[in-house]
Amino acid sequence: LAKTTQPISMDSYEGQEVNITCSHNNIATNDYITWYQQFPSQGPRFIIQGYKTKVTNEVASLFIPADRKSSTLSLPRVSLSDTAVYYCLVALPNNNDMRFGAGTRLTVKP
Amino acid sequence: DTGVSQNPRHKITKRGQNVTFRCDPISEHNRLYWYRQTLGQGPEFLTYFQNEAQLEKSRLLSDRFSAERPKGSFSTLEIQRTEQGDSAMYLCASSGRWDRPSYEQYFGPGTRLTVT
Repeated sequence: LAKTTQPISMDSYEGQEVNITCSHNNIATNDYITWYQQFPSQGPRFIIQGYKTKVTNEVASLFIPADRKSSTLSLPRVSLSDTAVYYCLVALPNNNDMRFGAGTRLTVKP
Repeated sequence: DTGVSQNPRHKITKRGQNVTFRCDPISEHNRLYWYRQTLGQGPEFLTYFQNEAQLEKSRLLSDRFSAERPKGSFSTLEIQRTEQGDSAMYLCASSGRWDRPSYEQYFGPGTRLTVT
């Protein structure tokens, strides 16, 4: 399984766009990139998944360059409630052995 | 969806005691997962069921850990002879609704275990 590297923490302000980059140099051809969000005292929540180029849903966008060795989760106009830990995972789409790293702790300030 | 539920939410036990946690997945999900999470770390995969079959258990932390899903619905995770190092949050997740991919796992609120 490919190892992922993310910043340990990030700070932002309300209304700003936040971009969290994850590197996964050893990503395999069939691996997908998945992001989860976790609030304190709750289980993680699925945000988005992609394979290449760009994926967008109602919560976030995921940008994946052509070499797929990194990906960027983009959160538009964050609010205080977006303060959470964000995890990047790389695995096969039906891989049930999901390996979470330490994640990126995002703090949104007023 | 009523969501994944876990009971109890908190458990305090003395070292050496056995504990059992229960997870009720989303009803139409056929896959169920157990994770452990310690402070400051991401969830650590323990085991996985598809229906009642336990398809992956090599990642269980030791032979003191065991899990069951007897009828393909709820699941239990048991830790025997607990140790202080077992103190953690134990998370359950489910997936597998026919129209959603399996990587989209739905997590419960977790059971926080404290071993004294």
